[in-house]
Amino acid sequence: DTAVSQTPKYLVTQMGNDKSIKCEQNLGHDTMYWYKQDSKKFLKIMFSYNNKELIINETVPNRFSPKSPDKAHLNLHINSLELGDSAVYFCASSPRRTGTNYGYTFGSGTRLTVV
Amino acid sequence: GDSVTQMEGPVTLSEEAFLTINCTYTATGYPSLFWYVQYPGEGLQLLLKATKADDKGSNKGFEATYRKETTSFHLEKGSVQVSDSAVYFCALSDHDYKLSFGAGTTVTVRA
Repeated sequence: DTAVSQTPKYLVTQMGNDKSIKCEQNLGHDTMYWYKQDSKKFLKIMFSYNNKELIINETVPNRFSPKSPDKAHLNLHINSLELGDSAVYFCASSPRRTGTNYGYTFGSGTRLTVV
Repeated sequence: GDSVTQMEGPVTLSEEAFLTINCTYTATGYPSLFWYVQYPGEGLQLLLKATKADDKGSNKGFEATYRKETTSFHLEKGSVQVSDSAVYFCALSDHDYKLSFGAGTTVTVRA
């Protein structure tokens, strides 16, 4: 039973389209995150939610909109996709507000390719 | 702000060689430190962690010691295997909601 699951695993789409990536965790964690990994493997946090409340929004374009219907789900919707959005997007979760001592559990990633 | 600097790769080794990946950090508080590993085509997995100065994290033959005086958390393994080929990320958490990563070091172990 996958702890943090993302769908889809691969997503190829044209510029200008709107797409969503879904994430679910069955660990009972309070906090969920979206990270973007670029082609050089660099990881950057995009958003963090704690119990459905947005905590971190790291200067991400407004075209990206996270939604957390409950604390087990954090979806990412992207409008008007651009070539530069091509990356691997990782969802993660941690057991409480302070992930400091626990680290995060990551999903397996969604590889988004915009053509 | 908080940041992590780790040695650039790629690193290529032969099996049974000694591996060291350097990691230094900058933080205003007292962060927890982590090493994550990403195998090809997979997500990140927590490899080890240390939450205070002089703590040693260890797992799967890997070790790292939290050195406050040198603000470092270098990863070491005494004898690598082909299966250790992966990208290794040093990370710190000094804030309730954010884990900051280094740039990653790609390690390739050859038989």
